[in-house]
Amino acid sequence: EVQLVESGGGLVQPGGSLRLSCAASGFTFSSYWMHWVRQVPGKGLVWVSRINSDGSSTSYADSVKGRFTISRDNAKNTLYLQMNSLRAEDTAVYYCARESQLSPGSFDYWGQGTLVTVSS
Amino acid sequence: SYDLTQPPSVSVSPGQTATITCSGDKLGDKYACWYQQKPGQSPVLVIYQDNKRPSGIPERFSGSNSGNTATLTISGTQAMDEADYYCQARDSSTVVFGGGTKLTVL
Repeated sequence: EVQLVESGGGLVQPGGSLRLSCAASGFTFSSYWMHWVRQVPGKGLVWVSRINSDGSSTSYADSVKGRFTISRDNAKNTLYLQMNSLRAEDTAVYYCARESQLSPGSFDYWGQGTLVTVSS
Repeated sequence: SYDLTQPPSVSVSPGQTATITCSGDKLGDKYACWYQQKPGQSPVLVIYQDNKRPSGIPERFSGSNSGNTATLTISGTQAMDEADYYCQARDSSTVVFGGGTKLTVL
């Protein structure tokens, strides 16, 4: 069974840093592109970042470029999102999602999400 | 940046057909997919590559994509289909979501 389990969310002050993790199981993690998507409670989904299967290529939304870094450890089956210079507008539930191999660009499995709150 | 536009809300009576649209410049040249999200839950992929259903998604869910508009159709809508629905497409190396449509079954 495919599972994605996020962790690392919490309360952080503006300007602070946080690292999210997404532990993957039930599939060959090293074969899949992975993404982070966020959602302000009560609002819509917003794509944040993606990384290719071996970690050699990444892409970011303009709103986080230069502040967030996506990475992965295929030996540990874990995806990461390092978030620096956090702002109040980064407050959201952060989901990791697996990109489908059947349909590149769509996400066939999602984690349960981890809440990040940026507030003083 | 590329934008996808959805109506904020759609209402449908049980048993009737619900239609949710997603508009974007030349969207028909890209693959569109759709997600269902119920309160407190993570999104679920219901349509990929414009019109394909993942395993386990009921046949009443269908999709199309042409010109500037992708459409999610739910035939014989059931109360359990009440949820938020998001369209999504890939644009170059990034991914774009529509703003979401709240489907109310009443």
